[in-house]
Amino acid sequence: DGGITQSPKYLFRKEGQNVTLSCEQNLNHDAMYWYRQDPGQGLRLIYYSQIVNDFQKGDIAEGYSVSREKKESFPLTVTSAQKNPTAFYLCASSSQTGSRYEQYFGPGTRLTVT
Amino acid sequence: AQSVTQLGSHVSVSEGALVLLRCNYSSSVPPYLFWYVQYPNQGLQLLLKYTTGATLVKGINGFEAEFKKSETSFHLTKPSAHMSDAAEYFCAVVSSGYALNFGKGTSLLVTP
Repeated sequence: DGGITQSPKYLFRKEGQNVTLSCEQNLNHDAMYWYRQDPGQGLRLIYYSQIVNDFQKGDIAEGYSVSREKKESFPLTVTSAQKNPTAFYLCASSSQTGSRYEQYFGPGTRLTVT
Repeated sequence: AQSVTQLGSHVSVSEGALVLLRCNYSSSVPPYLFWYVQYPNQGLQLLLKYTTGATLVKGINGFEAEFKKSETSFHLTKPSAHMSDAAEYFCAVVSSGYALNFGKGTSLLVTP
């Protein structure tokens, strides 16, 4: 089955700790994205990557970092500099050809920082 | 920048009634528009999309949407609501780098 996996589904951390969220896809998509979802706010773009070893900041990149060393993987690190890290995080991917605007989403990771 | 506005954060309909979820867009270029559905604690699933061509777009689960350039709208409809349609619905428009700008979402409640 092709798709996007995010792990873990639930993550708990203490304030001041960095935490890395995993995102893997086997759809052979070039582009990958990270969104943050808060109640009543919709989804907001954190980072995106259109090709391996390259990525761009989205609307709310402060306090986050990413890497794209492999086509299949796009991990997101929530650093201690992120003021309000508790949220639902969604990873997505899309093809750069064909239906290139259509994004496929993973099941999400709910991060709780106390 | 391309953006969308969803009118109504909560919509309630009776089972069997028409579902209408509103989305207006702002774009300086011909927009590519999407509707996604999200069930609790899950990712988003694509319902339908408009890129070019026919302005009436049919999607999964009996949903459809009509692109109206004159009204800058892309409203989502379904003739007869089912209990399983209760979910959060998001309208989105393609922005820079093929990323999507999402509306704030509309929560659909279906009552028996």
